[in-house]
Amino acid sequence: KAGVTQTPRYLIKTRGQQVTLSCSPISGHRSVSWYQQTPGQGLQFLFEYFSETQRNKGNFPGRFSGRQFSNSRSEMNVSTLELGDSALYLCASSLRLAVSTGELFFGEGSRLTVL
Amino acid sequence: QQPVQSPQAVILREGEDAVINCSSSKALYSVHWYRQKHGEAPVFLMILLKGGEQKGHDKISASFNEKKQQSSLYLTASQLSYSGTYFCGTKKTSYDKVIFGPGTSLSVIP
Repeated sequence: KAGVTQTPRYLIKTRGQQVTLSCSPISGHRSVSWYQQTPGQGLQFLFEYFSETQRNKGNFPGRFSGRQFSNSRSEMNVSTLELGDSALYLCASSLRLAVSTGELFFGEGSRLTVL
Repeated sequence: QQPVQSPQAVILREGEDAVINCSSSKALYSVHWYRQKHGEAPVFLMILLKGGEQKGHDKISASFNEKKQQSSLYLTASQLSYSGTYFCGTKKTSYDKVIFGPGTSLSVIP
């Protein structure tokens, strides 16, 4: 079956602009999480959605927001971009919110460069 | 709070063993291990639950000491394909988000 699909894969923006990233989870998966990956920082948790509701949120400023649609697809938005927002943004889906197996399936990410 | 991983990086020759450690200052419900190869998405290796047993598949296994809030990933007889960055993730409850450590870079050379 198809994996997690993230679009766009690469994008370049300038400071002050905004960006929207999209994530299509594996069919049947209802939970979507977003992570920011930068060198040396590892994977920083942004937010987690389940059934269109934000269930968990990380320690990022309000410029970072997200949502989930009824078909489980998710989008994240970053407004007023800063140079430090340059990163790989990873989306991960899982079958349910709390699962003993807990496996997250990651997409290949959207690489954002802010100039 | 982000778990701590050690070492930050390790270089092995094929066939050697390695241990990667993960620790948290908070009580944990579960520990999750992932491997990310260069330019690829992280891939799930295994999960260890509080009260669970040591897990493993092939030559990679892990343990979870819930009293010390520590987990260790054991790679035996390493292969070139083991190269990558290993992340441990932790959850405080079953409904918590997974918080990942900074990663351990592992390079296996011939």
